[in-house]
Amino acid sequence: KQEVTQIPAALSVPEGENLVLNCSFTDSAIYNLQWFRQDPGKGLTSLLLIQSSQREQTSGRLNASLDKSSGRSTLYIAASQPGDSATYLCAVGPVQGGSEKLVFGKGTKLTVNP
Amino acid sequence: ETGVTQTPRHLVMGMTNKKSLKCEQHLGHNAMYWYKQSAKKPLELMFVYSLEERVENNSVPSRFSPECPNSSHLFLHLHTLQPEDSALYLCASSPHRGTNTEAFFGQGTRLTVV
Repeated sequence: KQEVTQIPAALSVPEGENLVLNCSFTDSAIYNLQWFRQDPGKGLTSLLLIQSSQREQTSGRLNASLDKSSGRSTLYIAASQPGDSATYLCAVGPVQGGSEKLVFGKGTKLTVNP
Repeated sequence: ETGVTQTPRHLVMGMTNKKSLKCEQHLGHNAMYWYKQSAKKPLELMFVYSLEERVENNSVPSRFSPECPNSSHLFLHLHTLQPEDSALYLCASSPHRGTNTEAFFGQGTRLTVV
């Protein structure tokens, strides 16, 4: 059974810092991996989608990497801003089921202090 | 705005009430999903619909009854709920089921059962 773990559970940094959020998964048979952002009491906003054949994806100040063989992904946020404060969720789409079987981690709650 | 709209945003209901959650997407997607997000737990997949046909019921109690009248609309009918059913209910859609595609989420309905 696929399990997704996100470390740390919470992170507080001063504005301007570069930071890394970690995601690990137990079964490397995945279609893709998605990083989402969730603001308090709100839905999920997709940030980056990495296909299983890719090593990384970039969008603005965000860079996500994927090492499928070791079951790891990282989300790098450059020059963090207070507006980046949110919970970041990692989800993997297994080969059997793809996007309909997304398995989520519990998230990392990020606070960027001005 | 992700293109997936959920109503209502907040709902308080008694255990004997009957209510419905609504989800709408105009992204041209063929697959729609209901997820449940409880405090301190990962998102849990509840139901999957593909081309208006239910293809997955993830051991969800019968007090939750989904309905998909067309590919753009998805409902979750609620009756005789328990306080432990209080959670954020998220709707999502993707172009197709079981493929390497990105999932888009709505803002969620915060449900409180009293």
